[in-house]
Amino acid sequence: QKEVEQNSGPLSVPEGAIASLNCTYSDRGSQSFFWYRQYSGKSPELIMFIYSNGDKEDGRFTAQLNKASQYVSLLIRDSQPSDSATYLCAGGNTGNQFYFGTGTSLTVIP
Amino acid sequence: GAGVSQSPSNKVTEKGKDVELRCDPISGHTALYWYRQSLGQGLEFLIYFQGNSAPDKSGLPSDRFSAERTGGSVSTLTIQRTQQEDSAVYLCASSSTQGVTEAFFGQGTRLTVV
Repeated sequence: QKEVEQNSGPLSVPEGAIASLNCTYSDRGSQSFFWYRQYSGKSPELIMFIYSNGDKEDGRFTAQLNKASQYVSLLIRDSQPSDSATYLCAGGNTGNQFYFGTGTSLTVIP
Repeated sequence: GAGVSQSPSNKVTEKGKDVELRCDPISGHTALYWYRQSLGQGLEFLIYFQGNSAPDKSGLPSDRFSAERTGGSVSTLTIQRTQQEDSAVYLCASSSTQGVTEAFFGQGTRLTVV
């Protein structure tokens, strides 16, 4: 069974700190990985995608992928209260099927 | 269209009635997905379309649920004989199949069964 697993949290960090969100996946056929942010009552929106081993940086966000360990993470530097949301990890395979984790709730405390 | 459009945005129905939820994907997107999200929960996969065919229907929770897609575009999710446990937000997403793609979500249909 293809699964993506996340720690549901909640994760709380003080404003300005680094928030670290983690995800593991079971399908070695997954080739691309996505991090979505979902505010309460809203639909998920894409933050970043990554498909190569290593780090990918975009502003305050860094996605990390380790295919050998089947591990994906998202780091949020200089966390802001507006980053408080649920973060969903998803894996995609060649068939363009997306498998979502259950999400990690993040609260950034001012 | 510019984004994924879902209708209705809210639906209140009586237990036992049938409901139809509609999704209009981004123009040109061949892949379409239906998910269900109960309050405070993660995304529950329901069904995936590639064009008009559904390679993966494994997430449909019961035979009361069905979905179709015609013309490779609009999709309809039908729930027959609705139950209170069907109350949730039903999210539709679409994606291209060219290169590394992302799924774009609609705003969802909030279904309440009373």
